Amino acid sequence: GQQVMQIPQYQHVQEGEDFTTYCNSSTTLSNIQWYKQRPGGHPVFLIQLVKSGEVKKQKRLTFQFGEAKKNSSLHITATQTTDVGTYFCAASGANSKLTFGKGITLSVRP
Amino acid sequence: DAGVIQSPRHEVTEMGQEVTLRCKPISGHDYLFWYRQTMMRGLELLIYFNNNVPIDDSGMPEDRFSAKMPNASFSTLKIQPSEPRDSAVYFCASTRGYREKGEQFFGPGTRLTVL
Repeated sequence: GQQVMQIPQYQHVQEGEDFTTYCNSSTTLSNIQWYKQRPGGHPVFLIQLVKSGEVKKQKRLTFQFGEAKKNSSLHITATQTTDVGTYFCAASGANSKLTFGKGITLSVRP
Repeated sequence: DAGVIQSPRHEVTEMGQEVTLRCKPISGHDYLFWYRQTMMRGLELLIYFNNNVPIDDSGMPEDRFSAKMPNASFSTLKIQPSEPRDSAVYFCASTRGYREKGEQFFGPGTRLTVL
């Protein structure tokens, strides 16, 4: 099945700094989704990318799907303490099963 | 809509006991997923249903785990007998038309502790 990798698993930034994380696959993905899980909470859907090279923005968050559809990035501009949480990418392949990466836990120092 | 509802929110039990987790998906959603989340293994898909029929249970760890969906508004995940290594947060999620839109709506989860 599809596997997606997210490295590193933890990142610490100073409030106001930018943050970028990546999601990589060894195989071509039909689509990629991003979820956010706040501490003690449940995953919440952020975005879905389907087209090669697609870029979508949500306020300070920018999501991109690679040209080869094997990787994706999430960029947060000027992080805030409300950005704290774990960000997961998830991919569905030909078998329609959604596979989540291990996630990256972001902490923001005020 | 109330969203996906799970019960109980917390469960503490002793090794060997039977545990039943419950889920009510969002009305109108035809796909239901059960996930398990641990620090070591992350978020794992256990099983999913489409129109109440199990489609893929390859993620179910072993025969001690079973899941049912008797109707469109209710599903259970049962562990019998439970073991300490089953301690985790179990999430239920639902969606409409899996490939069509893709967004999965997660419930608040059940935190299971097996002593």
